[in-house]
Amino acid sequence: RKEVEQDPGPFNVPEGATVAFNCTYSNSASQSFFWYRQDCRKEPKLLMSVYSSGNEDGRFTAQLNRASQYISLLIRDSKLSDSATYLCVVNVRGAQKLVFGQGTRLTINP
Amino acid sequence: GAVVSQHPSWVICKSGTSVKIECRSLDFQATTMFWYRQFPKQSLMLMATSNEGSKATYEQGVEKDKFLINHASLTLSTLTVTSAHPEDSSFYICSARDDEQYFGPGTRLTVT
Repeated sequence: RKEVEQDPGPFNVPEGATVAFNCTYSNSASQSFFWYRQDCRKEPKLLMSVYSSGNEDGRFTAQLNRASQYISLLIRDSKLSDSATYLCVVNVRGAQKLVFGQGTRLTINP
Repeated sequence: GAVVSQHPSWVICKSGTSVKIECRSLDFQATTMFWYRQFPKQSLMLMATSNEGSKATYEQGVEKDKFLINHASLTLSTLTVTSAHPEDSSFYICSARDDEQYFGPGTRLTVT
């Protein structure tokens, strides 16, 4: 079983739609959680950290359920520029390394 | 935010040759850097953790004699792919941690 699992997609949604991604992780010692965005042939860039209380950054909302080991990302009022691959990333307690999910590919259509 | 650079951004080499990739933290010092590899349509897989002044820590299944890592200073780590083969063709990305983990722009290696 992969340490971090995501639906690879692809998701194709119209501009303005709301889209949600899910992610599960297997290591209960995971302590930090992130969503990264990766554009084609580019490096990943941090979109937002994910906190147990849930957090919002503009059109983006992230949620964490530690009991279910489940992370989500919601994008509202999607823009064409949101087209990218979204990576669910986990950091295990005591380790500096990040563990990446496979990524979910999103395409926003005009 | 902090910046991490990589050089070269892309390289094509012949099978059997060696290729060196550099990773630099431009405005902060990094005692630890990370090397990842990403095959098409797959996620980033950590290859090794590079430690300044000491040996790198390799992930399971990564050959340390094939992927040589040197972290000679607080701002530079190098990854050398020795005796490269076509299956080593991939996107190699390094990262370093400051207040958060920053990624280099990646190096696309093609072995012919």
